[in-house]
Amino acid sequence: GNSVTQMEGPVTLSEEAFLTINCTYTATGYPSLFWYVQYPGEGLQLLLKATKADDKGSNKGFEATYRKETTSFHLEKGSVQVSDSAVYFCALRFTGGGNKLTFGTGTQLKVEL
Amino acid sequence: EAGVTQFPSHSVIEKGQTVTLRCDPISGHDNLYWYRRVMGKEIKFLLHFVKESKQDESGMPNNRFLAERTGGTYSTLKVQPAELEDSGVYFCASSQGGQGNSPLHFGNGTRLTVT
Repeated sequence: GNSVTQMEGPVTLSEEAFLTINCTYTATGYPSLFWYVQYPGEGLQLLLKATKADDKGSNKGFEATYRKETTSFHLEKGSVQVSDSAVYFCALRFTGGGNKLTFGTGTQLKVEL
Repeated sequence: EAGVTQFPSHSVIEKGQTVTLRCDPISGHDNLYWYRRVMGKEIKFLLHFVKESKQDESGMPNNRFLAERTGGTYSTLKVQPAELEDSGVYFCASSQGGQGNSPLHFGNGTRLTVT
């Protein structure tokens, strides 16, 4: 079946540090890939997405590139801020599958001054 | 526009009791989804409503879980009787369309603790 694997957290960084959160997937076919973010006390929000190989999703300084050859969708940000502290979820979805998402376990990020 | 609203935000019950979670989707959204995250693991799909009909309930763990969406507006998810392993965060989401090009809006979740 389909699955998403994320790096284990928590990840603790200093402000302005470089962030990478690894995400790989297993799927039959070519899904769309997503990063969702959950800030403290809030619901899940779509951060960025990519729908086909080599697409790059970006938002709020975060980027992720759909790599078919490595089945990966790693999340990166060049300079994190305290306000980026949240739980980040990688997810996949197949076209025609409605909005049924397969999520990873989530990676908690804590950014300190 | 009001977002997806879930109630209660937290619930603590004893094993064997019954709990009902409620979700109010964004007005006009025909598609409503339930997901849950158990014990810090992955968020898993439970089921999908289109209006009042269950489109896909393949993720429902067992018959202790009952979801309804009478009238195609708000939805309830009842757990009866609750077990310890049911503890987790239950998320509701809604979208206008049922396909991937329709943005999915999530609620803040209900944190359920079964003791």
